[in-house]
Amino acid sequence: KQEVTQIPAALSVPEGENLVLNCSFTDSAIYNLQWFRQDPGKGLTSLLLIQSSQREQTSGRLNASLDKSSGRSTLYIAASQPGDSATYLCAGGGADGLTFGKGTHLIIQP
Amino acid sequence: EPEVTQTPSHQVTQMGQEVILRCVPISNHLYFYWYRQILGQKVEFLVSFYNNEISEKSEIFDDQFSVERPDGSNFTLKIRSTKLEDSAMYFCASRGTGNDQPQHFGDGTRLSIL
Repeated sequence: KQEVTQIPAALSVPEGENLVLNCSFTDSAIYNLQWFRQDPGKGLTSLLLIQSSQREQTSGRLNASLDKSSGRSTLYIAASQPGDSATYLCAGGGADGLTFGKGTHLIIQP
Repeated sequence: EPEVTQTPSHQVTQMGQEVILRCVPISNHLYFYWYRQILGQKVEFLVSFYNNEISEKSEIFDDQFSVERPDGSNFTLKIRSTKLEDSAMYFCASRGTGNDQPQHFGDGTRLSIL
């Protein structure tokens, strides 16, 4: 059974810093790995999807990497802004449903 | 940009009653999902649906739950005889064809069982 863990659980950094969020998974037989953002009381916004055959994906200031052999993914956020404050969720995709981590609660201080 | 819409945003129901949560997936998507998130816990997969049938379900999705696509646009989750522990945020998601397609989530329905 797939287990997904995210470290750290919470992170607070000054605006402008570059930061890395970590995700680890136990079953390397994933189809893809997806990063989401969740704002309080809201749904999940898809940020990036990395297919199992890929190593990384980029979208604007976000870069996500995937290392299946070590069971790890990272989300790199460049030049952080207060609007980046949210909970970031990592999810491993099987044939159908996603298995989620608990998330990293990120606060960017103005 | 197309989005997944869910109604109602908040549902309050007495324990033992039946509830139906409604979702309108993105129009050209063929894969549909329900997830739930109990307050303070992880988002958990419930069920996936493709070609008018369930393709996968978790151990949470027992006989109390059912899903249906009653027409060409709606996708519903029915919970029979609700229990206090069914209180959670329920998310619907959909995706297009291909493993490179992300799942897109709705804003959820907050279900409160009294």
